[in-house]
Amino acid sequence: GNSVTQMEGPVTLSEEAFLTINCTYTATGYPSLFWYVQYPGEGLQLLLKATKADDKGSNKGFEATYRKETTSFHLEKGSVQVSDSAVYFCALMTAAGNKLTFGGGTRVLVKP
Amino acid sequence: DTAVSQTPKYLVTQMGNDKSIKCEQNLGHDTMYWYKQDSKKFLKIMFSYNNKELIINETVPNRFSPKSPDKAHLNLHINSLELGDSAVYFCASSQDDRSNYGYTFGSGTRLTVV
Repeated sequence: GNSVTQMEGPVTLSEEAFLTINCTYTATGYPSLFWYVQYPGEGLQLLLKATKADDKGSNKGFEATYRKETTSFHLEKGSVQVSDSAVYFCALMTAAGNKLTFGGGTRVLVKP
Repeated sequence: DTAVSQTPKYLVTQMGNDKSIKCEQNLGHDTMYWYKQDSKKFLKIMFSYNNKELIINETVPNRFSPKSPDKAHLNLHINSLELGDSAVYFCASSQDDRSNYGYTFGSGTRLTVV
């Protein structure tokens, strides 16, 4: 079946540090890939997505590139802020499927 | 206007009770979902409805019964609540069940069974 694996947190960083959250997937066919962010006490918000190999999704300074050869979709941000503290979820949806499959989430804590 | 709204936001109840959570979306989407998030933040799909028709029912106890009176609403009724049902329940919607645009989530209902 389809699955998403992401690095366990928490990831603790200082403000302006570089952030990477690793995400790899297993899926039949060619899935669409997503990153969602969940701020404390809130629901999930779509952060960015990529629908085919080599596509780069970007939003709010975050980027992720769809790497088919390594089945990965790592999330990066060059300079994090305290307001980026949240839980980040990698997810996939296959063309044949009809549901989002999520990774376990990675908690990020940015300290001033 | 909230795109996907769930009520209540918090629900504390005793074991054995029956409770309902309501969800409404004003996005004109065809498909709605219920996800359960456990204490470790793991998200698992429970149900999905497309235009009022059930299309996903993941190994969920039959104490959980979704109901979709129209495509803008998907409610979740839970009978005989158990301690293990304590979690945050998220409603979501998407344009259709093959959407590559992602889902829009509600802000969640934190259910605590005591």
